[in-house]
Amino acid sequence: TQLLEQSPQFLSIQEGENLTVYCNSSSVFSSLQWYRQEPGEGPVLLVTVVTGGEVKKLKRLTFQFGDARKDSSLHITAAQPGDTGLYLCAALSNFGNEKLTFGTGTRLTIIP
Amino acid sequence: GAGVSQSPSNKVTEKGKDVELRCDPISGHTALYWYRQSLGQGLEFLIYFQGNSAPDKSGLPSDRFSAERTGGSVSTLTIQRTQQEDSAVYLCASSLSGIGEAFFGQGTRLTVV
Repeated sequence: TQLLEQSPQFLSIQEGENLTVYCNSSSVFSSLQWYRQEPGEGPVLLVTVVTGGEVKKLKRLTFQFGDARKDSSLHITAAQPGDTGLYLCAALSNFGNEKLTFGTGTRLTIIP
Repeated sequence: GAGVSQSPSNKVTEKGKDVELRCDPISGHTALYWYRQSLGQGLEFLIYFQGNSAPDKSGLPSDRFSAERTGGSVSTLTIQRTQQEDSAVYLCASSLSGIGEAFFGQGTRLTVV
């Protein structure tokens, strides 16, 4: 069973600070996605990374896929209150079962 | 509608009753997922349908849970003899092929009293 561990589980920081959240596994993935979920809503896709070592930027968000395709990080620069939410990584395995498996989540709160 | 639609949005039921939750995926999407989310927690995988393949039921927590997908479109998740621990938000998602972006509905909040 693939297990995606996210850390930290909870993070509360002041507006304007930088932060990094992590998604780790012992399994190799064909691709990895990051989603953000706001209260009362379903998760919404932020980015998909597919190549080991790949870095993608989305405004103040920087996503990186590990060289070995087993881990990923999300870095937010100058956090804003609108960044508050539950951040979930999700991965597809390399082994034919393309079921999307979600990580344990990081609940981020940005304090104005 | 253009998105994934779930109904009802809220359901309160008495312990021991059966409930049915419905998901209308985006038209043309071959993959459909059901997840469960307890308050403040991540997503727990329940079941996955992909095209005409046998569904992956490995996440169903007990035999009280079942799901079907008719005609490759609408899906129904059924929970029999509901228990208080079944209380959660049940999320449905669909994707074009199973390897792309998953689009989520807004969920059904189930409360068992």
